Amino acid sequence: GAGVSQSPRYKVAKRGQDVALRCDPISGHVSLFWYQQALGQGPEFLTYFQNEAQLDKSGLPSDRFFAERPEGSVSTLKIQRTQQEDSAVYLCASSLANSPLHFGNGTRLTVT
Amino acid sequence: AQSVTQLDSHVSVSEGTPVLLRCNYSSSYSPSLFWYVQHPNKGLQLLLKYTSAATLVKGINGFEAEFKKSETSFHLTKPSAHMSDAAEYFCVVSDLGQGAQKLVFGQGTRLTINP
Repeated sequence: GAGVSQSPRYKVAKRGQDVALRCDPISGHVSLFWYQQALGQGPEFLTYFQNEAQLDKSGLPSDRFFAERPEGSVSTLKIQRTQQEDSAVYLCASSLANSPLHFGNGTRLTVT
Repeated sequence: AQSVTQLDSHVSVSEGTPVLLRCNYSSSYSPSLFWYVQHPNKGLQLLLKYTSAATLVKGINGFEAEFKKSETSFHLTKPSAHMSDAAEYFCVVSDLGQGAQKLVFGQGTRLTINP
């Protein structure tokens, strides 16, 4: 079956622009995670949803970052007024409860 | 808080020779530990996981890892490297936050295979 799908694959934004990154999880997966992976680093946790409820957003670096999952399926990560330090690969992962995470291929964001 | 330290940022081996990627963990309770692999421009793929069953864990593609509590280590090994093993490898510990399996990644080890 289909895996976790993320779009766009690449995004270039000028500093100050808003961006929206989409994640389509595996059908039926209740848990959804967003991670940020800076160049040469390991992924870092941003936020977690269980169905439509955002249960943990402790990793969001600033109030410019906002995530939603209104119907408990597709999720969107929005970054307002992008800064150069936001340049990274944004990874989405989904899972059934207490099961290993399945990761998407990520969205590479470059802020110029 | 849980954390992992990958002791080598880059490992280079010849094809057909053994692979050893080192990882130490820090955890206040019995941890769940994982190894993930990331090929260029691809998603993270789970190689294997340890969840307090057998201390020697076998994964995909001939990889295995041994949990050693006395050494707080979870090193990844493979008897014979293949060219297709060239990738970035991450040691990961699970941090239970808000009931979710929140993963904490190491900095990664880049594995290069020489022909």
